[in-house]
Amino acid sequence: EPEVTQTPSHQVTQMGQEVILRCVPISNHLYFYWYRQILGQKVEFLVSFYNNEISEKSEIFDDQFSVERPDGSNFTLKIRSTKLEDSAMYFCASSERDGGLYGYTFGSGTRLTVV
Amino acid sequence: AQSVTQLDSQVPVFEEAPVELRCNYSSSVSVYLFWYVQYPNQGLQLLLKYLSGSTLVKGINGFEAEFNKSQTSFHLRKPSVHISDTAEYFCAVIASGSARQLTFGSGTQLTVLP
Repeated sequence: EPEVTQTPSHQVTQMGQEVILRCVPISNHLYFYWYRQILGQKVEFLVSFYNNEISEKSEIFDDQFSVERPDGSNFTLKIRSTKLEDSAMYFCASSERDGGLYGYTFGSGTRLTVV
Repeated sequence: AQSVTQLDSQVPVFEEAPVELRCNYSSSVSVYLFWYVQYPNQGLQLLLKYLSGSTLVKGINGFEAEFNKSQTSFHLRKPSVHISDTAEYFCAVIASGSARQLTFGSGTQLTVLP
């Protein structure tokens, strides 16, 4: 069964450093998403992306965050200057159609630890 | 805005026993409802969804859920669980006006005991 692949599975970074989280969505999917889960809290929507543009973003997704599809297979989330409160599990997801009504396929996540 | 409440953070149950995982939601607009499952070291996987029609929906691995509009609930059930059902289960909603943003509950850890 096709999978969404995320790398690395765990990343530790120092506060103030830039970090890039990488995702390879399912090959025929056109819609991409990032969610995150801070330890002990709920999974939260960050951003959706289609046709090289952000289609929707949450209040969490401020100027320190950016997303990019640098080539035909990767989808990345960049955090420009990490803060302690950015420590979380970050999930990438993709879908064949717009929106979640038909179900997203999620990756297994990248655990980001900011020290 | 929408919110989802999963009333039980942990549910231990013996193998072959029935289980119900509870989910309640609140929203000022119509919503669509989902259950996702996360097995250890894996991503979230869609278990089942309610978009419209019959309020009883069947999903993968023998799970089913019933949408109850008057009680704003979408409880997940399975008549007989297996060890392999041990996982975290997330209830989620999408508002009809914003089809991209899933709003999740806090999750229920189901542990099936031998």
